[in-house]
This record gives sequence, C-alpha cells and structure tokens, in this order.
Amino acid sequence: SQQGEEDPQALSIQEGENATMNCSYKTSINNLQWYRQNSGRGLVHLILIRSNEREKHSGRLRVTLDTSKKSSSLLITASRAADTASYFCATDMDSNYQLIWGAGTKLIIKP
Amino acid sequence: DAGVTQSPTHLIKTRGQQVTLRCSPKSGHDTVSWYQQALGQGPQFIFQYYEEEERQRGNFPDRFSGHQFPNYSSELNVNALLLGDSALYLCASSSPGTSFTGELFFGEGSRLTVL
Repeated sequence: SQQGEEDPQALSIQEGENATMNCSYKTSINNLQWYRQNSGRGLVHLILIRSNEREKHSGRLRVTLDTSKKSSSLLITASRAADTASYFCATDMDSNYQLIWGAGTKLIIKP
Repeated sequence: DAGVTQSPTHLIKTRGQQVTLRCSPKSGHDTVSWYQQALGQGPQFIFQYYEEEERQRGNFPDRFSGHQFPNYSSELNVNALLLGDSALYLCASSSPGTSFTGELFFGEGSRLTVL
C-alpha cells in the first residue's frame, strides 16, 4: 500500500516558471524525502525534511512540511529543461525500516 | 568513487523461470534495500539487508529472496516468475549510521521483462 500520494499526477510548464508538487501521507512520520527519477532510471535523492522541521531549502528547491495536515510540497524555482523528470515523495512510518512511496508527479518543462 | 551498480541492466525471462539480480553498494555503505517499480508507479519495498541478514521485508511473497555477502554486495532472487513480476528492480544503499529510513543512493536498476 502507498503511504504518500503526489499531486498533480502530471505537470507541464514553460521553462523559467516555478513548479509546485504536493505530497500527502496517512500516518505519523519521522521524516519525508523527495527524489527525482529521469525516464525510468535510478532515483536521485533531493532533500530530506524531518518531522520537527517546517521548511528546507536546497539550491532551487524548497520543501515545506505540514504535519498537522500530513502534507508536504516541493517547489522548484526557475525551472530548466533538465528538471523534466518524475518526482516522488517517500515517507517512513514509526518504528519501521522501510520507506513508503507515492506514485509520483511527472514534470515536463517545455523550452 | 563508484556509486551503486546493478547488473544486468536488462533481461527477458519466461514465466516459471528464475532470475538473479545483483547489486554492489556505494563505497562505504553497509545496508542494501531492494525495490520493485512497476511502470508508472512508485517503488515498492521488497526487503533490506544489513550485516548479511534480512532486517525488514515488505509485502512480497517468498518467491522473492535475497542475500548479502560479507563485502556488502547483494543479490535478489525471484523464483517461478509471473508476468506481473515484470518491472524495474532498484537497489539502494545507505551509509553506516544513517537512520533506517534516511537518504538512499540508488542504482540505475535492472529492467526485467517476463514473457
């Protein structure tokens, strides 16, 4: 079963615009991570935010976490063609060794 | 510094056959996790190996088994293949001291097609 659900399923924007993706989850967590996957290849870790953090930045990425709403958002600013990929959120569950993943948001950046 | 490597990259099998996939973790990493990713879906956790033991297992049948060697490399074995086993199989490693669900480093995956 999937813990996280990304929204939207697909997003197409112009290069230079900002892209926002959302993730909702069901149970309490210790941390939430975002990963990027290019065209069915391996996943690349983007950012990890802990349950006691509300916002985190990494370069053009900004992640927020609202534990009361059980949701997170990933903002990519000034998008580039190279940002075209699928983006996944992954959450842990208390006292568990595994990450639970959503189905991802497919982001297309149009030149 | 070599990252996570997986082999083979692509393979085709027929129903009922058995397959072995291999993974070498990133240098310095001691924990290996395996995931199955069907087309258009997120990864599904199969199991995690640490100190040559299966530490945690996802909701997969016993047809899926694994092994970790003293050099931390790992194998995933799937017996009695079904059409539904067609997927991208991803190996991920993590460093000593990383929390059980901390940052993962992924290989490029092994694409299995079952005919």
